[in-house]
Amino acid sequence: AQSVTQLDSQVPVFEEAPVELRCNYSSSVSVYLFWYVQYPNQGLQLLLKYLSGSTLVKGINGFEAEFNKSQTSFHLRKPSVHISDTAEYFCAVGASGGYNKLIFGAGTRLAVHP
Amino acid sequence: EAGVTQFPSHSVIEKGQTVTLRCDPISGHDNLYWYRRVMGKEIKFLLHFVKESKQDESGMPNNRFLAERTGGTYSTLKVQPAELEDSGVYFCASSPGFNSPLHFGNGTRLTVT
Repeated sequence: AQSVTQLDSQVPVFEEAPVELRCNYSSSVSVYLFWYVQYPNQGLQLLLKYLSGSTLVKGINGFEAEFNKSQTSFHLRKPSVHISDTAEYFCAVGASGGYNKLIFGAGTRLAVHP
Repeated sequence: EAGVTQFPSHSVIEKGQTVTLRCDPISGHDNLYWYRRVMGKEIKFLLHFVKESKQDESGMPNNRFLAERTGGTYSTLKVQPAELEDSGVYFCASSPGFNSPLHFGNGTRLTVT
């Protein structure tokens, strides 16, 4: 069975500081990994995805994530955050190695303070 | 292009009542999904339509939930009768193909009192 663990439920950070949101997964099949973001009163928006190839994946809004197979991790990073990055972030794995039937983590609330 | 639209955005009902949620996918998207997030926990898969057919409904919690997609366009999710534990945010998503990223709607927040 596949599962996703987001290690931090809340991450407070000051504006312009770097941030890392942690995600660990378990899967017995080839993994498709995703990070989604939910801004207040909006739907989920795809930040980035890992399907295969380079383990460093760049997404929108300056975010990137690194796939680490040996540590079964897919941590999300941004070198300098803005107030507008305040949102909830979800890590997900594609069950059965695809986009369908995503399995999500519990989410991490990123709060960026001035 | 218009995104995935969900209606209503909020619904408050009493235990035992019936509620119907609606999702309009992006035009031309054959794949439609329902997900649910309960009490700030994980977002969990409910079911997947391909056009009007249920491809996978393994996540449906029980027979109080009925999803339909007549004609392969919009979808409805009916909860009858609603229970307190059904409270949460119901998300709909669509995609054009099996290996295409999902586009999510803003969700319907359901509160059962």
